[in-house]
Amino acid sequence: GAGVSQSPSNKVTEKGKDVELRCDPISGHTALYWYRQSLGQGLEFLIYFQGNSAPDKSGLPSDRFSAERTGGSVSTLTIQRTQQEDSAVYLCASSFDSRRSYEQYFGPGTRLTVT
Amino acid sequence: SQQGEEDPQALSIQEGENATMNCSYKTSINNLQWYRQNSGRGLVHLILIRSNEREKHSGRLRVTLDTSKKSSSLLITASRAADTASYFCATDGYSSASKIIFGSGTRLSIRP
Repeated sequence: GAGVSQSPSNKVTEKGKDVELRCDPISGHTALYWYRQSLGQGLEFLIYFQGNSAPDKSGLPSDRFSAERTGGSVSTLTIQRTQQEDSAVYLCASSFDSRRSYEQYFGPGTRLTVT
Repeated sequence: SQQGEEDPQALSIQEGENATMNCSYKTSINNLQWYRQNSGRGLVHLILIRSNEREKHSGRLRVTLDTSKKSSSLLITASRAADTASYFCATDGYSSASKIIFGSGTRLSIRP
C-alpha cells in the first residue's frame, strides 16, 4: 500500500505569511507525529496524535504553531506569521500504535523556506 | 528529557571496515530504535530492540542495549558506499503514553 505522503514537497513563503503543511498517514495507523529538522541537525519533536486521545503538543515551539488531525487520518500543521527561523524540513511519521512503540514510517518531508 | 544522544557526531571510514555508533539516553525506556536518513529527507526504520533484550541482529547490523548504562550501539559490518547516511537512535519513555524522541544523529561517510 501507499506510504506516508506529505504536501507540498517544497514551500517558499514570505516572512509573516501563514503556511499549512499536510500529512497523509498510512491507512490504519493510529499514531501520527510531526517533527522539524534543521539543516544537519537531529529531529525536533513537535506534536503527536494517538487515536482519539488529546494530542501531545509539548514540542510546539510557540503559539504560532498548531496542528489538527481530522477523522483520525489526515493531519495539517499550520504555522502562522512565519519567521525565518521556521525554515526547516518538516517530517511527518505514522505508526500502528505508539503505545507499543511500533516502528514509525516517515513521509518525504516538506522543505519550508521563509524569505 | 529522555532524548537520546549519538556519538560520534560524524564518522568517516573506508569501505569494507566496520562502523560503530553509540547512543545514550536519560530515562527508562520500553524500546530503542535505530533509523537511517539519506539526503535530509524521510527516515527509514532499521531495527528495534526491547528493553529486555541485550543484542539483536539484522543482516549486517548488530545492535546492543545496556539498560544499566542507558546506552546502545549500532554496528554496521563490512560497510558499503550505500551505507553513507545519518543514523539516529530513538527512544520511548517507560509510560505507555510516552512519545518517541530522536537523538541528534551520527553522520556516517564511507570512503570508496
